[in-house]
Amino acid sequence: DTGVSQDPRHKITKRGQNVTFRCDPISEHNRLYWYRQTLGQGPEFLTYFQNEAQLEKSRLLSDRFSAERPKGSFSTLEIQRTEQGDSAMYLCASSWITDTQYFGPGTRLTVL
Amino acid sequence: AQTVTQSQPEMSVQEAETVTLSCTYDTSESDYYLFWYKQPPSRQMILVIRQEAYKQQNATENRFSVNFQKAAKSFSLKISDSQLGDAAMYFCADYWGGAQKLVFGQGTRLTINP
Repeated sequence: DTGVSQDPRHKITKRGQNVTFRCDPISEHNRLYWYRQTLGQGPEFLTYFQNEAQLEKSRLLSDRFSAERPKGSFSTLEIQRTEQGDSAMYLCASSWITDTQYFGPGTRLTVL
Repeated sequence: AQTVTQSQPEMSVQEAETVTLSCTYDTSESDYYLFWYKQPPSRQMILVIRQEAYKQQNATENRFSVNFQKAAKSFSLKISDSQLGDAAMYFCADYWGGAQKLVFGQGTRLTINP
């Protein structure tokens, strides 16, 4: 199966620690998106890349959040100085330009 | 701001029967796409069906079909012959080139009664 993969699937951390998540998109897809989903809500857009360029960031993405996509392949999302409000499911999706987005299994973050 | 509204937080249906989930949106662009995604308890978001706004014909994928009413900005999902595996959260979403992102509704939790 060559779908979108995310690692880790679950992360528990203490408030104030830094965490990093990884997303590997479908290989031929040039766009990669990050969304955040809190319990009982639909996903909310965070940021997206076309190849290695980060083209848009949501206002939800505070200065503590940073995302990269070196060489236009996998992407990482880092959260510095985590807060309890960062607890959520972080979803990655990929697509070919503006075509359908396919989602990974997500990384569930719990901040204690 | 772009918004998608799902007015039914929860729905339930008997196995083998038909259920319709509602969705409205407010995109004013002429070229956009609409989607239904399914999210089972495992939490992976799975594409159910996609509709291009310029196409008048309603999309169909096996037991899943949509009723796309462009003027009313309505995009409902019909599930025929419901199966236990259809139990999940269902999210309606829209996408247009100006926003470059999916905007999701709040979701409808579908329960299938055996």
